[in-house]
Amino acid sequence: KQEVTQIPAALSVPEGENLVLNCSFTDSAIYNLQWFRQDPGKGLTSLLLIQSSQREQTSGRLNASLDKSSGRSTLYIAASQPGDSATYLCAIYTNAGKSTFGDGTTLTVKP
Amino acid sequence: GAVVSQHPSWVICKSGTSVKIECRSLDFQATTMFWYRQFPKQSLMLMATSNEGSKATYEQGVEKDKFLINHASLTLSTLTVTSAHPEDSSFYICSAIRDRGQYFGPGTRLTVT
Repeated sequence: KQEVTQIPAALSVPEGENLVLNCSFTDSAIYNLQWFRQDPGKGLTSLLLIQSSQREQTSGRLNASLDKSSGRSTLYIAASQPGDSATYLCAIYTNAGKSTFGDGTTLTVKP
Repeated sequence: GAVVSQHPSWVICKSGTSVKIECRSLDFQATTMFWYRQFPKQSLMLMATSNEGSKATYEQGVEKDKFLINHASLTLSTLTVTSAHPEDSSFYICSAIRDRGQYFGPGTRLTVT
């Protein structure tokens, strides 16, 4: 059974800092990994999708990496802004056709 | 990009009534859709996989007769919460797969009084 862990559970940083969110998973037989953002009471917004054959994806100030052998992914956010405050979720999509989500990291960027 | 919509966005109902939530893929066909539930300050838990033209596959612990899923077309899946109780109050989110990525609906907040 795939288990997904996100560390830290919560993070508070001053505006402008670069930060890293971590996601680890137990089963490396994955189809893809996806990072999402969720604002309070809202649905999910997809940030980055990494296929199992890829090692990283970049979009603007966001960079996500994937290391299947170690069961880890990181989401790097450069020059953080207050608008980045949200809960960040990683999800592992397996060949069996199911997604397993981590519990998320709640990020607060203080102006 | 792909868009998945849900209706309604929020609903309040009385205990014992049934509520139907719709999930639509707006610009692509989805043979498979997923239904998730999220309790406050918790992550998403997969409830069931909705397959167009066939029965849904439910995760362990999810009551089939309580959460009825119908995937009647390639763009629409519905989740009906039957005889809702306060403990069913939650945030329900659907998703569809396209191009190896999951696209999520905005979610439906159900409150059962």
